[in-house]
Amino acid sequence: GQNIDQPTEMTATEGAIVQINCTYQTSGFNGLFWYQQHAGEAPTFLSYNVLDGLEEKGRFSSFLSRSKGYSYLLLKELQMKDSASYLCAVRVPLRGAGSYQLTFGKGTKLSVIP
Amino acid sequence: DGGITQSPKYLFRKEGQNVTLSCEQNLNHDAMYWYRQDPGQGLRLIYYSQIVNDFQKGDIAEGYSVSREKKESFPLTVTSAQKNPTAFYLCASSIMGAGLKNIQYFGAGTRLSVL
Repeated sequence: GQNIDQPTEMTATEGAIVQINCTYQTSGFNGLFWYQQHAGEAPTFLSYNVLDGLEEKGRFSSFLSRSKGYSYLLLKELQMKDSASYLCAVRVPLRGAGSYQLTFGKGTKLSVIP
Repeated sequence: DGGITQSPKYLFRKEGQNVTLSCEQNLNHDAMYWYRQDPGQGLRLIYYSQIVNDFQKGDIAEGYSVSREKKESFPLTVTSAQKNPTAFYLCASSIMGAGLKNIQYFGAGTRLSVL
């Protein structure tokens, strides 16, 4: 089976740094994705990790440890517009060569307060 | 602009009625997906298609049907057999294979409610 865990809710202050953790146990692994989803809108791609280590992209960074089944998303210099849900998703193989599925965690709702 | 268009944005279903959600993409992607999102739940895969005229069941396909007659289009029908259809439905598309290029891009979603 597939299991992806992340905290349900987090609150952080504008201008601060917040780390959203994600742990996973999946049958197969071909990369981990982070998406941002504002309420009632489509998820938008933030980051992708397939090798261990840190990927940095502006105010957002994502870390992966495959041996520990662990990832985190780091948001720096928080802004009010960062209030959203953050979805952790693991890409796992599907039936058929070259086919993959994204398995999602339940998402972490981040509230940024003044 | 390239993207994925879902329509309608809001949809209401009466008891015993089938309804169809539209998904169109102009990204020239081979793979398309339908997900269901419930409050407090992660996205769950309903159906996916990797090529025209072929599609596969995902984790929660019961009560749903799809077709893929054109590369650009992947409509989802919520049938009367789906007893709890109220949810936010998201369509996505991607290229095939692994790697960073295989990112799933999402449409804006359709919110389905039961009258």
